[in-house]
Amino acid sequence: NAGVTQTPKFQVLKTGQSMTLQCAQDMNHEYMSWYRQDPGMGLRLIHYSVGAGITDQGEVPNGYNVSRSTTEDFPLRLLSAAPSQTSVYFCASSYRGGSGNTIYFGEGSWLTVV
Amino acid sequence: GNSVTQMEGPVTLSEEAFLTINCTYTATGYPSLFWYVQYPGEGLQLLLKATKADDKGSNKGFEATYRKETTSFHLEKGSVQVSDSAVYFCALLPGSNYKLTFGKGTLLTVNP
Repeated sequence: NAGVTQTPKFQVLKTGQSMTLQCAQDMNHEYMSWYRQDPGMGLRLIHYSVGAGITDQGEVPNGYNVSRSTTEDFPLRLLSAAPSQTSVYFCASSYRGGSGNTIYFGEGSWLTVV
Repeated sequence: GNSVTQMEGPVTLSEEAFLTINCTYTATGYPSLFWYVQYPGEGLQLLLKATKADDKGSNKGFEATYRKETTSFHLEKGSVQVSDSAVYFCALLPGSNYKLTFGKGTLLTVNP
């Protein structure tokens, strides 16, 4: 059982380049989400999905796109990278929301935009 | 809206000292509360959780009690070790949706 798998772990981009952060989970979880972590800011929700074909915006969605074509995968796309997107990105998944649920995180993707 | 406030760091302690990291929250309804830990260069790990008032979560010598009357979930450990050096995040999950709300994190450094 691999849990939540993120790739790549480290990436350096030039301003204006595009890339996709991959996230996959093998727990048949309905809910998946992407967070970014910045010093002194905690983790902030970028986008989330409550099931295949359903996505919605979180707290800081600008500059990012997502899609959810399968239950297992939830890629995060940066269409035109900016230095402000330098951050650590975490993908998370859970079986269902609400009280008592546990949210599982991937190991993170460290992105630097120069 | 929901929010989590945790004590600002950094916190520096000597080995075997007592640790408290304060966390208070604002939420409607009955959220679940969590502490996550991030060791240097690593991802987030769930440290402990509590799902209802007066529940005590515990793991690896860490404890936190869900106090609804004070809307708090303070993290404690009686004797910290150098290996506990990490960033600690308090978080809440509302009963009505899937979105975690995090505090800003507290950096703990334990010196030998």
